Amino acid sequence: ETGVTQTPRHLVMGMTNKKSLKCEQHLGHNAMYWYKQSAKKPLELMFVYSLEERVENNSVPSRFSPECPNSSHLFLHLHTLQPEDSALYLCASSQGGGGFRDTDTQYFGPGTRLTVL
Amino acid sequence: SQKIEQNSEALNIQEGKTATLTCNYTNYSPAYLQWYRQDPGRGPVFLLLIRENEKEKRKERLKVTFDTTLKQSLFHITASQPADSATYLCALTSGGYNKLIFGAGTRLAVHP
Repeated sequence: ETGVTQTPRHLVMGMTNKKSLKCEQHLGHNAMYWYKQSAKKPLELMFVYSLEERVENNSVPSRFSPECPNSSHLFLHLHTLQPEDSALYLCASSQGGGGFRDTDTQYFGPGTRLTVL
Repeated sequence: SQKIEQNSEALNIQEGKTATLTCNYTNYSPAYLQWYRQDPGRGPVFLLLIRENEKEKRKERLKVTFDTTLKQSLFHITASQPADSATYLCALTSGGYNKLIFGAGTRLAVHP
C-alpha cells in the first residue's frame, strides 16, 4: 500500500446530510491534497495544505470544507451536497513543507466513492 | 486555455507487444511531466518523472519520452503483460505547491 489511508471507502448520503471524509498519511510528509475524480474526467485538485496551512483553494464550493488538524490527518467535511458531487474523492500527500519541489512524488490513498442521492 | 489530452479510447494490445500511450499538452511550459497508473477503485500510483531537459527516461519495461517542441510525451510498455492492464495518467506540474494537472487517462487492456 501507499501509506495513505482513507475512510470510509464508500459513502451514500442525502442532500441534507452532513458527513466527513478522513485521510491519514504514515509517510512523514508535510503536504496533503484533496482531489475529485468524476467519471471520464481528469482529476481535479480541490485543496492543498502545507504544514497544516491551506495554501490552495481551487474555487471549490463552500459545501466542501477541509480541515487539517496536523500534518498526518486531513478531513473533508460535506454539507448539503448536490447529486453532481457524486465522485471518487482522493487524498494525496507529498514531502512538501517549507519548500515544495516539483519533483516531489504524490502518494494517493484508495479514495472514497461518494454517492449523493 | 491550458489543456492536457490523452487518447480517451481504450488501447487494446496483444500480450508481448509494445504499448504506446500519448500525452499532448497546450499552453503549458512544464519543467516536469509525470506518469501514474490507476487501477479500478484505487488511487493513482506514481511510475515515472521526466524533466524538460531529458529526452528519455527508462525504468524496467517502461520508457517515457518528452518532446517540449511538439509538446508531447510518449509512454511505452515493452513486452506487455495482462497485469499491465490499467488506466495510465499523465500529469504536469503547474505553479507552486507541487500542483499537478492531470489528463483524463488512457485505459490499456493487454489480452493474453
